[in-house]
Amino acid sequence: GAVVSQHPSRVICKSGTSVKIECRSLDFQATTMFWYRQFPKKSLMLMATSNEGSKATYEQGVEKDKFLINHASLTLSTLTVTSAHPEDSSFYICSARDFGGGVGEQFFGPGTRLTVL
Amino acid sequence: QQPVQSPQAVILREGEDAVINCSSSKALYSVHWYRQKHGEAPVFLMILLKGGEQKGHEKISASFNEKKQQSSLYLTASQLSYSGTYFCGTEITSGSRLTFGEGTQLTVNP
Repeated sequence: GAVVSQHPSRVICKSGTSVKIECRSLDFQATTMFWYRQFPKKSLMLMATSNEGSKATYEQGVEKDKFLINHASLTLSTLTVTSAHPEDSSFYICSARDFGGGVGEQFFGPGTRLTVL
Repeated sequence: QQPVQSPQAVILREGEDAVINCSSSKALYSVHWYRQKHGEAPVFLMILLKGGEQKGHEKISASFNEKKQQSSLYLTASQLSYSGTYFCGTEITSGSRLTFGEGTQLTVNP
């Protein structure tokens, strides 16, 4: 299957700092990427849809000024958690759909575990 | 709207079978199935498009009944490696975003 990479895999930061997470589709182009947040033993909560060359679409309740998304190319989307606080600690996962085969399988990156002290 | 998965959890002995169901209140274009192991990201298993198809992936297969707006994942002769949380993701129209169920935690014991 297609490969989506995510970096870093783990980050620990102090409260008030900003953290940038990168998501790359390695062997296909993705005009759309998705950012999810997952709490322990919970489902995947869609935060926003990242659109190449245009503004991201945020889900209700997600602060766009806090979670900045940039989709500068067809293979890279970034999520920046600005002024992170302990409540932002979570597992963040990106994904992209590969429509090369026609059906649009959605593949996930390995995730980033963010811990804000 | 979030699809409903059942059961929430199931415990099996190696070699036993299991069925996980995913139901939607809306008509679906496709259903996607994933398995997630603890601390890892979900791994894509298969996608089923409307048309009542059934797919197989080793000893894991799935069906999609678009009239009933539901999909079922079948795990036969389960192996220890099948343990994890299974999520279904539903798509209303082609290219629309996926909405995931709450997940079904599957534990396979020796």
